[in-house]
Amino acid sequence: GAVVSQHPSWVICKSGTSVKIECRSLDFQATTMFWYRQFPKQSLMLMATSNEGSKATYEQGVEKDKFLINHASLTLSTLTVTSAHPEDSSFYICSARAPSEGGNTEAFFGQGTRLTVV
Amino acid sequence: AQTVTQSQPEMSVQEAETVTLSCTYDTSESNYYLFWYKQPPSRQMILVIRQEAYKQQNATENRFSVNFQKAAKSFSLKISDSQLGDTAMYFCAFMKPLISGTYKYIFGTGTRLKVLA
Repeated sequence: GAVVSQHPSWVICKSGTSVKIECRSLDFQATTMFWYRQFPKQSLMLMATSNEGSKATYEQGVEKDKFLINHASLTLSTLTVTSAHPEDSSFYICSARAPSEGGNTEAFFGQGTRLTVV
Repeated sequence: AQTVTQSQPEMSVQEAETVTLSCTYDTSESNYYLFWYKQPPSRQMILVIRQEAYKQQNATENRFSVNFQKAAKSFSLKISDSQLGDTAMYFCAFMKPLISGTYKYIFGTGTRLKVLA
């Protein structure tokens, strides 16, 4: 199946600094990528939809100035957590939609990034 | 708004036996897709099986099969001959196409499955 690579897999940063997470589709072009946040033992919560060449679409309650998304190419989307605080500590997952057999589409997920803000 | 409900937070099953995970959803859409994803301890999300709403035939993938009841808005996952490697969190997901041309996925709260030796 299609491969989505997310980097880094884990990061520790100091409060007040910014952290960038990359999401790459390795063997297909992704016009749309999705960024999720997952709290321990909870489900995936969609944060935003990243659209190549245009602004991201944020879900209600997600601060777009806090979570900057850039989708500059068909294979790369980045999520930057600006001025991170301990409450931003979480597991962040990206996914990209790739065409599959019969024209159906499914989402492939990156490995996730565990962010810890100290 | 669409919702996905998984009423079983945790389940366990003996190795080699069969287990069924429940999922119900609520939507007024007619065109959508349903998925089961597996998230093992590594946290990598892995697609287990998918079902197109317009197909009446239940999807199967080796030991995994679904019971799709469209009228009842039910989408359960059956795992046969359970293996230790099936131990994971399982998420039911609903996907619908949007007018903008993109898609939206909505995930259930998950069922933690433990396969016992």
